[in-house]
Amino acid sequence: DTGVSQNPRHKITKRGQNVTFRCDPISEHNRLYWYRQTLGQGPEFLTYFQNEAQLEKSRLLSDRFSAERPKGSFSTLEIQRTEQGDSAMYLCASSLLAGGLYNEQFFGPGTRLTVL
Amino acid sequence: AQSVTQLDSQVPVFEEAPVELRCNYSSSVSVYLFWYVQYPNQGLQLLLKYLSGSTLVKGINGFEAEFNKSQTSFHLRKPSVHISDTAEYFCAVSDGGSQGNLIFGKGTKLSVKP
Repeated sequence: DTGVSQNPRHKITKRGQNVTFRCDPISEHNRLYWYRQTLGQGPEFLTYFQNEAQLEKSRLLSDRFSAERPKGSFSTLEIQRTEQGDSAMYLCASSLLAGGLYNEQFFGPGTRLTVL
Repeated sequence: AQSVTQLDSQVPVFEEAPVELRCNYSSSVSVYLFWYVQYPNQGLQLLLKYLSGSTLVKGINGFEAEFNKSQTSFHLRKPSVHISDTAEYFCAVSDGGSQGNLIFGKGTKLSVKP
C-alpha cells in the first residue's frame, strides 16, 4: 500500500446529475477526511470518519452532499443534483489516531469535478 | 473560529535566491501548525509540522519554518530555491482537538525563475 488513492481522478458531468467519488485510505489508518478545494483557495474541511463512524458532518456544504465509510475501509462521497458551483477538487486524507496523539494526514491526489 | 492568513498569493523568485513564505494564524489555544506543498494536478504533501518543542522546525527539501507564538506566525523559509520548488504552498492549523481536521490558508504560488 503506497498511499491514499482516489477514483476517478477526473469527472465531467452535466448539471443535475449525481456523482460519486471513492477514496481508499492507507490500510491501517482509522481516520478518513474529505476536503473540497476550489480554484485559488485552500482545502476546506467537509467531513470525517473514525473507522465507520461519521463523527462530523455539519460542514458538508448542503444536504446534496453525503459520505459513507461502510466497513471502516474505503469511503465514498456523493453529490446529488450537481450544480456548477460544485466544480472543484475533492481531496481525501487519512491518518492513524493512536494514543490520543496527533498524527499526520496523508492526502490522495484528488478527484477534479467539472459540472457543465 | 480559527483562521490562517497567507499574506502573499504569489511569490516570484530567481533560482538559488532565498525565499520566505509568510503565514499567520488566529487562535487563542495551543495549535499544531503545518506547511503542505501541492504540485500541479497532485494532492498535498507535508513539508513540515510543528506540534511542540523547538520553535525551529526542519522539513523536507531543505525547507524550515519558525513558530512564533507572540506574533502568531509560522513563516516558511528556504535559503536557496530550485526550479523544482515551483508549486503552491499551503499553511494549515489544527487545534489538536478530537476532530483533528485542518484549516488551510489560501495558498502561496511560488514561481522559481532561472
